[in-house]
Formats: sequence, C-alpha cells, structure tokens
Amino acid sequence: NAGVTQTPKFQVLKTGQSMTLQCAQDMNHNSMYWYRQDPGMGLRLIYYSASEGTTDKGEVPNGYNVSRLNKREFSLRLESAAPSQTSVYFCASSPQDPSNQPQHFGDGTRLSIL
Amino acid sequence: KNEVEQSPQNLTAQEGEFITINCSYSVGISALHWLQQHPGGGIVSLFMLSSGKKKHGRLIATINIQEKHSSLHITASHPRDSAVYICAVVGRSYNTDKLIFGTGTRLQVFP
Repeated sequence: NAGVTQTPKFQVLKTGQSMTLQCAQDMNHNSMYWYRQDPGMGLRLIYYSASEGTTDKGEVPNGYNVSRLNKREFSLRLESAAPSQTSVYFCASSPQDPSNQPQHFGDGTRLSIL
Repeated sequence: KNEVEQSPQNLTAQEGEFITINCSYSVGISALHWLQQHPGGGIVSLFMLSSGKKKHGRLIATINIQEKHSSLHITASHPRDSAVYICAVVGRSYNTDKLIFGTGTRLQVFP
C-alpha cells in the first residue's frame, strides 16, 4: 500500500520556468492538500481539494495553480517559478475535510529555484 | 504571534530520559494533531485528540482545552525518536476549518 506518492522528489528550476508537481493517493480519500514548508515556519496550506471536482485556495496560493484530475490525483503547477517558491512541498490526503481526521503525507518534493 | 506555539524549539536528551514537548494555541479548535517528521523529511501522524489523553507505546499525548495547551511525552527515549515533532490544530482559518501548524520541536536523543 503506497499511501501518498509525490513526484519528483527533487527538482531545480530556473526563474521563469514552469513545472507540475504530481501527487497521487491510493486510499480512496476525498480530500487532498498541498503544503509548503520553509525554514522557521510551520507548514502552510497552498491549495486544497475537499472532494473530487472542487479546489480552494489556502493561506499562500499566489503563484500556484492546482488540478484535481480525479479522486486519486491532485497536481500543483508553478507557471513561472520565482526564487521565493524555493521550498519543500508536501501533498497530503484525508478521508474528508475539515481535518478532524489524520492526514497522510507524501515524502515531499524539494524544489530549488535559481 | 503565531496561532500555534511550540516549546522548546530544540531539545537534546540522553537515551532513556523522559521527554516533554509543549504546544499552546490561541484559536478555537475542534481537534489537535501531533506529527513526526523524520530526518529524511517524511511526515507521519502520531495522534489526533480533542480531549483527555491518548497513549501509543512510549508516546503519550494530552490536551487541556480550557488552557489551550497540549503536551507530547516520550518515555524511555531512544535515538530512533530523534525527529521533528509538529503540533497542528484544526482551527478556523480563511473561513474554513484547516490545520494550523506549529514550527516544530527538533529532538535529538543521544546514546
């Protein structure tokens, strides 16, 4: 049982490049989340999807877009990467939203923008 | 001021010591989570609680809703307990209930 799978694990981009971070879960969870983790700060919510077909902004959505492709997959896209988006990105899922149930996290994507 | 504060930020211990990590929050919550982040980066959920106390092996989590405070205790600590421990509350943020995270407590347990 893989749980939450994120790809890639590492990525280096140049300013202005675009890329998509992929996330898939095999637990039949309804809700999925994208977070970023920066030194000295707690995890911050970028976007979430409470159920298939819906997406909503979190705390720090600027510069990102998301797609809930189906119940399993939730992707995060950086259209024009900026150095301020250098961070570790985590995808998570839970059976339902709000988060009164444990969230299951992927292993993270370490992204550097030069 | 952060809505979720953890103390201490860093903690070192000798193997076998009793460890306490504290979490205070300033918002109304419906639940509180304790998470563990391993040195490799992966995050796992340890506990979710809304009242009282939960125990799993050598880990004990308590919460006092009136005082807006939770503690995570590790008994008979071991080097494999070395990790970052993160407190997160389910609180109202941006007009919906979402996890609000503390910045974590980095624990190192030496043999």
